[in-house]
Amino acid sequence: GEDVEQSLFLSVREGDSSVINCTYTDSSSTYLYWYKQEPGAGLQLLTYIFSNMDMKQDQRLTVLLNKKDKHLSLRIADTQTGDSAIYFCAEKDYGQNFVFGPGTRLSVLP
Amino acid sequence: KAGVTQTPRYLIKTRGQQVTLSCSPISGHRSVSWYQQTPGQGLQFLFEYFSETQRNKGNFPGRFSGRQFSNSRSEMNVSTLELGDSALYLCASTTGQVLSGANVLTFGAGSRLTVL
Repeated sequence: GEDVEQSLFLSVREGDSSVINCTYTDSSSTYLYWYKQEPGAGLQLLTYIFSNMDMKQDQRLTVLLNKKDKHLSLRIADTQTGDSAIYFCAEKDYGQNFVFGPGTRLSVLP
Repeated sequence: KAGVTQTPRYLIKTRGQQVTLSCSPISGHRSVSWYQQTPGQGLQFLFEYFSETQRNKGNFPGRFSGRQFSNSRSEMNVSTLELGDSALYLCASTTGQVLSGANVLTFGAGSRLTVL
């Protein structure tokens, strides 16, 4: 079946860039998403990318997609303590099926 | 535009009891999906309702059920609660139209269930 994988933990220093990686198996993915979850809250959409794009930039966020390798990354520039959260990668196929990764817990050290 | 509203936010039950959780989607959204989130298993898909019909279902036992009303509000029910049902239950809504672009899932804040 479809699978999405992420590393579980990432620590960075405040002001550095963070790069969160994700791999997926479904070659029919149409859109890929990044969600953020803060403690005690639901998931908040950060950004998404259409599968025929290879990059999308939105302020401090840069998404890179390598469709051949089925690899997605999220780069957060100038990481702040407020960026500490769990980040989920997700993919959607041609239907309405979303598959989420296990989430990467980002810790930002002062 | 109001977001996805889930009630109650927190609840405590004992083993063997049953629980009903409610989700009101964003106005105009006809699809409601439910997810269970636990530290050990991550985010697991329960089911999706569209226009009052269950359209997709995850791999959960029959103790987990749901329904959707004509106004798109949805409820999920868990019967005969077990300790392992303790989790954050998240609801998300979309327009539900297949092949209609990014169709972003918008999540509610969740209902945290503790089973004692």
